[in-house]
Amino acid sequence: RKEVEQDPGPFNVPEGATVAFNCTYSNSASQSFFWYRQDCRKEPKLLMSVYSSGNEDGRFTAQLNRASQYISLLIRDSKLSDSATYLCVGRSGGFKTIFGAGTRLFVKA
Amino acid sequence: SQTIHQWPATLVQPVGSPLSLECTVEGTSNPNLYWYRQAAGRGLQLLFYSVGIGQISSEVPQNLSASRPQDRQFILSSKKLLLSDSGFYLCAWSSSGGPGRSGANVLTFGAGSRLTVL
Repeated sequence: RKEVEQDPGPFNVPEGATVAFNCTYSNSASQSFFWYRQDCRKEPKLLMSVYSSGNEDGRFTAQLNRASQYISLLIRDSKLSDSATYLCVGRSGGFKTIFGAGTRLFVKA
Repeated sequence: SQTIHQWPATLVQPVGSPLSLECTVEGTSNPNLYWYRQAAGRGLQLLFYSVGIGQISSEVPQNLSASRPQDRQFILSSKKLLLSDSGFYLCAWSSSGGPGRSGANVLTFGAGSRLTVL
């Protein structure tokens, strides 16, 4: 079983739609979680950290459920520019950062 | 502000040739440095990380090696490339210390080096 698993998608949604991605992790020792965004043939860039209490950044909301070991990302009012691959990331104590394979999102006009 | 530079951006190499990818970080000191590889359509695989000059930890057995000759310089090398070494190589840095809620230890990536081995 992979340490961080994501639905690869693709998710095809119209502009303005709300879309949610889930990610599960197997290492209960994981302490920190993040969502990264990666555009085609580019490097991943931090979208947001994920806190146990949940956190919101504009149209993006991240949630962490430690009991069920999953992380979610909700995107409201999708824009064309949101089209990208979203990577779920877990980090345990030390320096081991594990990336999921990513979920592809296509937002259509 | 901190910046990370990685080069070359793209390269095409024959099987059996050597490899050297370089990464430098500016605007910070004693960063943690990382090399990741992303195969086509796949997730990121951690290859090496370093917490200081001359200190290298390897995550997977392979024909690649890493070195950190200076505080903010990280080099990925191979003596003889294999076809399976093709991929997108990403250098990253984080501030020193363990993970924290503040997000100060998030990874920031360079623009990547796309390697094709023929």
